[in-house]
Amino acid sequence: DADVTQTPRNRITKTGKRIMLECSQTKGHDRMYWYRQDPGLGLRLIYYSFDVKDINKGEISDGYSVSRQAQAKFSLSLESAIPNQTALYFCASRDSGANVLTFGAGSRLTVL
Amino acid sequence: EDKVVQSPLSLVVHEGDTVTLNCSYEVTNFRSLLWYKQEKKAPTFLFMLTSSGIEKKSGRLSSILDKKELFSILNITATQTGDSAVYLCAGALGYGGSQGNLIFGKGTKLSVKP
Repeated sequence: DADVTQTPRNRITKTGKRIMLECSQTKGHDRMYWYRQDPGLGLRLIYYSFDVKDINKGEISDGYSVSRQAQAKFSLSLESAIPNQTALYFCASRDSGANVLTFGAGSRLTVL
Repeated sequence: EDKVVQSPLSLVVHEGDTVTLNCSYEVTNFRSLLWYKQEKKAPTFLFMLTSSGIEKKSGRLSSILDKKELFSILNITATQTGDSAVYLCAGALGYGGSQGNLIFGKGTKLSVKP
């Protein structure tokens, strides 16, 4: 099994729908992240969490919310999806004492 | 504002060529610089550099950091088609609540032709 698992891997939805992307990790890491990747723009940080009670906004948090249900689980929600949220979303985790992120396989979201 | 700039943004070479990818950074209280390789899936870790002038090597790939000039290079010798990927550079923040968080560049897309 993958160290960081994202579901769903692909999702097509319509404008205005609520979407949840889920992430779980088996690395025992305390820090978890959600990134968005668009062609030519690299990885941009949406939200991050240093532990279950610590949630922080990244550079592009508008239109998104997150929930850290447990140390191993971190979900990303789009309350009312819009077409410019069409992107590849990555979840990642790391240990507090390290810089190296371990990434999930990505969730490709298309908003029509 | 913290930023990481990679160049070139795209590069096409032929098998056997040697390539150099560039990464410059402006990261507050810089902690380390990381390189990742991304094929059609999740980024995979290549190198982490913390000290200037110490080359890290893995097979045909090598990387070095210059903390005075604020840049890093990633070299790939004798390129193969399997090296085709997007190479991401990231700087790690070293202060406060964001400590350890990574600032990513936009990536360099490398295409290696047979």
